[in-house]
Amino acid sequence: GENVEQHPSTLSVQEGDSAVIKCTYSDSASNYFPWYKQELGKRPQLIIDIRSNVGEKKDQRIAVTLNKTAKHFSLHITETQPEDSAVYFCAASKQGSGGYNKLIFGAGTRLAVHP
Amino acid sequence: DTGVSQNPRHKITKRGQNVTFRCDPISEHNRLYWYRQTLGQGPEFLTYFQNEAQLEKSRLLSDRFSAERPKGSFSTLEIQRTEQGDSAMYLCASSSSGNPEAFFGQGTRLTVV
Repeated sequence: GENVEQHPSTLSVQEGDSAVIKCTYSDSASNYFPWYKQELGKRPQLIIDIRSNVGEKKDQRIAVTLNKTAKHFSLHITETQPEDSAVYFCAASKQGSGGYNKLIFGAGTRLAVHP
Repeated sequence: DTGVSQNPRHKITKRGQNVTFRCDPISEHNRLYWYRQTLGQGPEFLTYFQNEAQLEKSRLLSDRFSAERPKGSFSTLEIQRTEQGDSAMYLCASSSSGNPEAFFGQGTRLTVV
C-alpha cells in the first residue's frame, strides 16, 4: 500500500547548523511532495513543496530535493534558528483524473534547535 | 481569518456518545479532506470530498464514522458510539482540484472518557 517513511524521528542541532530530514515513498505514481511544519498545539503549515518534474527547490533557508529513481526526497534547513524548532512532516500525493488526491504523511521529525 | 476553520476546538465526551465536528474550508477551494492525528504521529487520511461528492474513504474508517458536505461548502464529521480509541486531533484541510497545496484548520481535539 501507499507508505511514506521519515527519518530521523528526532533531530537536535546547534543554532546556525544545518538540519536534514529524509523521506522515502512507496507509490511510484506520487508526483507531489509537500513539507509541513507543526508547532505545539498548532495546525500543520505548508513550508515548501516540490513536484516530480523538478529535482530541487529553494526558498531562503529551506530547500527540498527529490530523487524520483530512488523514491527519496529530503528537506534541508540551513543556518537553523531556535524558531525552527517544531515537528516537520513530509507527505506524498499523486494526481488523479480530477486533481491531486489525498496526502500520505510520514511520522514526523521533532527538530530542536539549541541556542 | 480567511483560512480553514474548525469547530469546536476541543470536545470531551463520554464513551458511547455521538459527536459532530464542523469544517469550513477556504471559500474558493472545492476539495475538502479529513485527517486524524494522534500524539507523535503524522496526520492519517480519513476521507475527502470534491464539491459535495465524497470521492474516497479510508479503509481504516469504521462504519461509526460518517462525513457529509451537502452543499459543497462546509463539511461535518460525525462519530457515533465513541470509543476511547477515537481520542485524537481531527484535522480538516482544503485545496483546489487543480492545485495540490492543502491548507489545514486548527483541528478539533476529541477526548473520549
